[in-house]
Amino acid sequence: KNEVEQSPQNLTAQEGEFITINCSYSVGISALHWLQQHPGGGIVSLFMLSSGKKKHGRLIATINIQEKHSSLHITASHPRDSAVYICAVSGSQGNLIFGKGTKLSVKP
Amino acid sequence: ETGVTQTPRHLVMGMTNKKSLKCEQHLGHNAMYWYKQSAKKPLELMFVYSLEERVENNSVPSRFSPECPNSSHLFLHLHTLQPEDSALYLCASSQVKGFYTFGSGTRLTVV
Repeated sequence: KNEVEQSPQNLTAQEGEFITINCSYSVGISALHWLQQHPGGGIVSLFMLSSGKKKHGRLIATINIQEKHSSLHITASHPRDSAVYICAVSGSQGNLIFGKGTKLSVKP
Repeated sequence: ETGVTQTPRHLVMGMTNKKSLKCEQHLGHNAMYWYKQSAKKPLELMFVYSLEERVENNSVPSRFSPECPNSSHLFLHLHTLQPEDSALYLCASSQVKGFYTFGSGTRLTVV
């Protein structure tokens, strides 16, 4: 079993839909990261959080430390949101442990 | 441009070649990382340098050799690679336990 599990693995949505991607982890963490990877490989850090909730534009990330669970929400989804979304956790040394990613495709 | 620059973007090399990947950041970060991303697998940590000291090598084969001459530059020297080493190699930097910034990656093909 991976230390970081994401669901779903693949997600197809219509433009405008509300999207939720889930992440569960089994190790102690100092922080949880949400990353976005576009075709071609480049990765962008979206959020780093250790408690509560953060919002940036149409993206919202939440974390429940007790339940070891985080969610990434996208409101009013758009085709340009199509990408792989990766959950990662950082331990005491700071280096990241990654989930396998969720491939999101938003259709116009 | 993220602030972390990787070169080259694409590399094709034979199994007997020696090549190097380069990573550069001028964000003032004090930790730099090499990650490997193979098809259908999560990103795997290869090497971590914190304050220019290697802190983890994660059982990477010796055909991969990192070098961190200063806090802004990181190299990955490659020699006698195998076809299964073909992957996307990503460099990242951060303040220790801070927000990560990733490079665009080097797509490596070993023939």
